[in-house]
Amino acid sequence: EAGVAQSPRYKIIEKRQSVAFWCNPISGHATLYWYQQILGQGPKLLIQFQNNGVVDDSQLPKDRFSAERLKGVDSTLKIQPAKLEDSAVYLCASSFELAGGYNEQFFGPGTRLTVL
Amino acid sequence: DAKTTQPPSMDCAEGRAANLPCNHSTISGNEYVYWYRQIHSQGPQYIIHGLKNNETNEMASLIITEDRKSSTLILPHATLRDTAVYYCIVRDNYGQNFVFGPGTRLSVLP
Repeated sequence: EAGVAQSPRYKIIEKRQSVAFWCNPISGHATLYWYQQILGQGPKLLIQFQNNGVVDDSQLPKDRFSAERLKGVDSTLKIQPAKLEDSAVYLCASSFELAGGYNEQFFGPGTRLTVL
Repeated sequence: DAKTTQPPSMDCAEGRAANLPCNHSTISGNEYVYWYRQIHSQGPQYIIHGLKNNETNEMASLIITEDRKSSTLILPHATLRDTAVYYCIVRDNYGQNFVFGPGTRLSVLP
């Protein structure tokens, strides 16, 4: 089966510019996650969608970050305006979440963002 | 914050078993132990998970102590391709999020 697709793979922008990342999850996976991974650290959850509804966005910096998942499939994550500290790899993951069942998250390759 | 503690780095000789420890002394009764790994420039990849019994699959074995306060991931015959960061995560299966710590950087040496 096809994996989680993300684009672009790399992006370089200047601070205060805007940027958007795209994610296409595995077909049939209702749950979609966006993580931020700063160099040397583990991934940190930014937002979780169940179908097209937000389940958890408690760690999303909402003054500059936004995300949507229209029609419950693809998702976009946007940063506007970007700051230097936003330089990181942005990972998208999806899962077939079953309450009470084990949860395997499938990750995409990530988008490496560099803010200059 | 992550609920687990792992050594920051480990080395292992190619062909030997790699034993990666994880402490999770505050684990609750309905929380599972999950292991993921992240090879350079890739997203994390699921390895194995368990509740209280030892588990084995084609990739690894998971040994959980009887009091469930620690566990060990075993790669029985490590290869160079096993060089990666290994994350130990505890999570229930009723909606808790995965909280990744910094993990253990395993270097498999020729």
